[in-house]
Amino acid sequence: DAGVIQSPRHEVTEMGQEVTLRCKPISGHDYLFWYRQTMMRGLELLIYFNNNVPIDDSGMPEDRFSAKMPNASFSTLKIQPSEPRDSAVYFCASSFTAQNGYTFGSGTRLTVV
Amino acid sequence: DAKTTQPPSMDCAEGRAANLPCNHSTISGNEYVYWYRQIHSQGPQYIIHGLKNNETNEMASLIITEDRKSSTLILPHATLRDTAVYYCIVTGANNLFFGTGTRLTVIP
Repeated sequence: DAGVIQSPRHEVTEMGQEVTLRCKPISGHDYLFWYRQTMMRGLELLIYFNNNVPIDDSGMPEDRFSAKMPNASFSTLKIQPSEPRDSAVYFCASSFTAQNGYTFGSGTRLTVV
Repeated sequence: DAKTTQPPSMDCAEGRAANLPCNHSTISGNEYVYWYRQIHSQGPQYIIHGLKNNETNEMASLIITEDRKSSTLILPHATLRDTAVYYCIVTGANNLFFGTGTRLTVIP
């Protein structure tokens, strides 16, 4: 298994532009998580899905952020419009069950200028 | 989720055992103890988890005290590649909240 695959690895965009981050979870994993990591705030849970259904989005910063999981093998995190304070590393993780360990992807480093 | 307390940093000599402590005095009966680590610029990596009993896998051992108020992660023979930030997380919910962790530096 190739693990959790995220794309792109790096993204540089201008303030106000739309940004879409992509994640392919491990096949058979029923849970998918989006995290954001910054120096100031550390790792923060943004949203998680179970069987493609969003369960808890209380960590999503504001309406500019949205996440979808149209099928079991794909999820997106969209920021529209992007702002410099959104600059961070965004991680996607998946898990077979709620109690199993999560497998994280390599992350997308987003820079908004 | 119960709060955890970890030392901010530790050093360990290469080849020696690294013992990373974690206090979680407010843990409740249905909460698990998880350990992850994050090597610089990589995504967090799952290490081990447990509920009450001690656990061991190919990466590490987890020792949980009988009252479950604290635990220790043991890396039996630390290598330079074990230098990372180690997170202790206690949760019974379907998500993980990461604190600031312990920065372990393995010294040659």
